[in-house]
Amino acid sequence: GESVGLHLPTLSVQEGDNSIINCAYSNSASDYFIWYKQESGKGPQFIIDIRSNMDKRQGQRVTVLLNKTVKHLSLQIAATQPGDSAVYFCAEIPNTGFQKLVFGTGTRLLVSP
Amino acid sequence: DTEVTQTPKHLVMGMTNKKSLKCEQHMGHRAMYWYKQKAKKPPELMFVYSYEKLSINESVPSRFSPECPNSSLLNLHLHALQPEDSALYLCASSQVSPSDSSYNEQFFGPGTRLTVL
Repeated sequence: GESVGLHLPTLSVQEGDNSIINCAYSNSASDYFIWYKQESGKGPQFIIDIRSNMDKRQGQRVTVLLNKTVKHLSLQIAATQPGDSAVYFCAEIPNTGFQKLVFGTGTRLLVSP
Repeated sequence: DTEVTQTPKHLVMGMTNKKSLKCEQHMGHRAMYWYKQKAKKPPELMFVYSYEKLSINESVPSRFSPECPNSSLLNLHLHALQPEDSALYLCASSQVSPSDSSYNEQFFGPGTRLTVL
């Protein structure tokens, strides 16, 4: 079946460090992969997405890398700030329909000042 | 207006109660979604409405009954719930591509935290 998972449940970093959050997925036919940030008491917030025909995409302070060979997705956050503390979910759009979003298990990022 | 709003923020109900969760967006989105999120777990899709019609039901028990009265509103009617239904219920909305041919970003509301006693 389809599954999207994460290697690390919690990542602790110091303010100013670069953070890398990893995700493994199993459905090689998925079209899109997305990273969401969920702060306490809030709904998930879109960060960045990448289409399956790309291997890298950059946003403001964030970069997503896609390695289809090993079915691995990562989110890099540059100069991590305390406001980046949240749970980060990777998610995929399976090839069964563009409205079905399948979330991974999540990684909690803790940023110390 | 780029927000999805949900009411109430918190809801406590007994197993014999009937209650409703409400969701509203004014972004002109024609797809709306209900997700269920248990503590420390990822959101799980429950229902999708496209153009006010139910397009996806992820085998959700009938004690959850969705309704989309117009393009801006989405309701989730609850009846005879079980304690294990306690969770954060998230609403989301997105644009719809012709023939559902491409992905559109989903915008999430803050959720309703439901406790079933």
